[in-house]
Amino acid sequence: GAGVSQSPSNKVTEKGKDVELRCDPISGHTALYWYRQSLGQGLEFLIYFQGNSAPDKSGLPSDRFSAERTGGSVSTLTIQRTQQEDSAVYLCASSSRDSLNYGYTFGSGTRLTVV
Amino acid sequence: AQTVTQSQPEMSVQEAETVTLSCTYDTSENNYYLFWYKQPPSRQMILVIRQEAYKQQNATENRFSVNFQKAAKSFSLKISDSQLGDTAMYFCAFMGASAAGNKLTFGGGTRVLVKP
Repeated sequence: GAGVSQSPSNKVTEKGKDVELRCDPISGHTALYWYRQSLGQGLEFLIYFQGNSAPDKSGLPSDRFSAERTGGSVSTLTIQRTQQEDSAVYLCASSSRDSLNYGYTFGSGTRLTVV
Repeated sequence: AQTVTQSQPEMSVQEAETVTLSCTYDTSENNYYLFWYKQPPSRQMILVIRQEAYKQQNATENRFSVNFQKAAKSFSLKISDSQLGDTAMYFCAFMGASAAGNKLTFGGGTRVLVKP
């Protein structure tokens, strides 16, 4: 696609439920990143994919968080047994190998609200 | 680990005037890249300007320019002739050249409000 697409745009879930957030990167971009942005805060790194593998998952806050990427394209971030502190905007970004040093292209994010 | 600090939570400026946002960072790397991103209410992060640490010349993109002081580890953004559409959150970010995956580390952001 022309840009990074994320779905859903907004998600309200009950505490304890599982949620899946989807990211569709720019076609041909091999690198994919997930960040979390809590209300009024900066962006916190979660995980990085190169192709289908995740060389750096150091930012995942707990074992309730996992992510996968298939076909070198779409990625899914899964949060199990959601807690209220998981409420945030989850941003996805992608980059091509040749433009890694030029910054990323971001999606518009998924706003997750846990009630 | 790298850290990025933005000391101004919020700035306001009159339309057509100039505003400067501060950013400092901490790193032991010699080669790296610095960025300013804009985040309007649509939530999408938009790249405003980029600076390579090995270049002494300050980057400029139309009304946006930076003052890069490598020794002081300072990277401020100047917005000239401010426009209403510049109202947004602005984030400073660091990327080490040697970091695997070229991970971006962000500051906490500065909210800019342009008043008519």
